[in-house]
Amino acid sequence: DAGITQSPRYKITETGRQVTLMCHQTWSHSYMFWYRQDLGHGLRLIYYSAAADITDKGEVPDGYVVSRSKTENFPLTLESATRSQTSVYFCASSETGVAGTGELFFGEGSRLTVL
Amino acid sequence: AQSVAQPEDQVNVAEGNPLTVKCTYSVSGNPYLFWYVQYPNRGLQFLLKYITGDNLVKGSYGFEAEFNKSQTSFHLKKPSALVSDSALYFCAVRDLDNAGNMLTFGGGTRLMVKP
Repeated sequence: DAGITQSPRYKITETGRQVTLMCHQTWSHSYMFWYRQDLGHGLRLIYYSAAADITDKGEVPDGYVVSRSKTENFPLTLESATRSQTSVYFCASSETGVAGTGELFFGEGSRLTVL
Repeated sequence: AQSVAQPEDQVNVAEGNPLTVKCTYSVSGNPYLFWYVQYPNRGLQFLLKYITGDNLVKGSYGFEAEFNKSQTSFHLKKPSALVSDSALYFCAVRDLDNAGNMLTFGGGTRLMVKP
């Protein structure tokens, strides 16, 4: 089925470990985004990508790394996880960027707990 | 810088009564405004958007929102609430002229509709 899928949906890890959250979309949308959702902060943009091999920082990029070698995939890596990165992470995609309407399509989220 | 404020953490309304979820924004240019809804353990879903034109925007599930430029507000409304409308609602803004692909979300408002 077409859509945007995230994996894993739930992950528990320890401080200092590397964690990668996967995001895959089947619409061939150009733009992809990673947000984190925290109580009291709403959603905050971590990184986004306008196309394969093009990424840019969002509001809270520190401690995260992204890559986009293929249009459909946009993995998010925490190279050395910290407790402050405990959050729910949402991947989203959009057909158009600045010139478009900006409607985002979200995955179901990945809940990460860092002990 | 762009920002969004949702002044109410929670809104309680009885089924069948009208509901309003408030949103105010701040941008230096022209705003794109959005409402998204999040059901438990799900990603955000697009409800409606304002880009230009009529200040009253109609969206999914009977929701509508009114853009008020002088008050910099974009309140979400529905004439008759349903129990199934209970969810977390997010307002979001993008500064068309200045912020590229940055979509800034408010902190969210939990809507509780009681039978």
